[in-house]
Amino acid sequence: AQRVTQPEKLLSVFKGAPVELKCNYSYSGSPELFWYVQYSRQRLQLLLRHISRESIKGFTADLNKGETSFHLKKPFAQEEDSAMYYCAPRYGTSYGKLTFGQGTILTVHP
Amino acid sequence: DAGVTQSPTHLIKTRGQQVTLRCSPKSGHDTVSWYQQALGQGPQFIFQYYEEEERQRGNFPDRFSGHQFPNYSSELNVNALLLGDSALYLCASSRGQGGRELFFGEGSRLTVL
Repeated sequence: AQRVTQPEKLLSVFKGAPVELKCNYSYSGSPELFWYVQYSRQRLQLLLRHISRESIKGFTADLNKGETSFHLKKPFAQEEDSAMYYCAPRYGTSYGKLTFGQGTILTVHP
Repeated sequence: DAGVTQSPTHLIKTRGQQVTLRCSPKSGHDTVSWYQQALGQGPQFIFQYYEEEERQRGNFPDRFSGHQFPNYSSELNVNALLLGDSALYLCASSRGQGGRELFFGEGSRLTVL
């Protein structure tokens, strides 16, 4: 079965500190990896995807196929980064079928 | 652009009843996916509709069914409701079946008593 593990349900850091949200996925071919974010009182939205190798709001994520990980990182956290973050691989030709992890609630303290 | 809209936002049903949830995709999108999100869990894929047909299905029983209309809007139907069906039901739309970015609605909160 395809599984996604986000080991931390809660993560707290202080403003300006580095942050890393962990994600490990089960190997099945070459999945496409996404991070989705949900800010307070907003709907779930795409943060970034590995295929575009982009940095969004200062966040980056590196796909490590050897460790089957796709950790999300930001060198200097901001209070507005406080949100729920979901790692979501998409396997093969599953198109709209994302497999979401349980999510990590990030709180950035002032 | 209103984005993805879902109705109703909240509803309460009793065990054994049937429910229909509705979704209008973002303008320009033709593909709709449905997800179930139980409390404290990540969304779980139910199915995807494209060109008015169910194209992909997750691990959900036949009590969960859907429909897509020519205007791309979609319905999710759940029959013989169980207490465990209580959840937030999310609709997501994309451009094309392989669209890489899903746009989510705010969800319909279903409570089964």
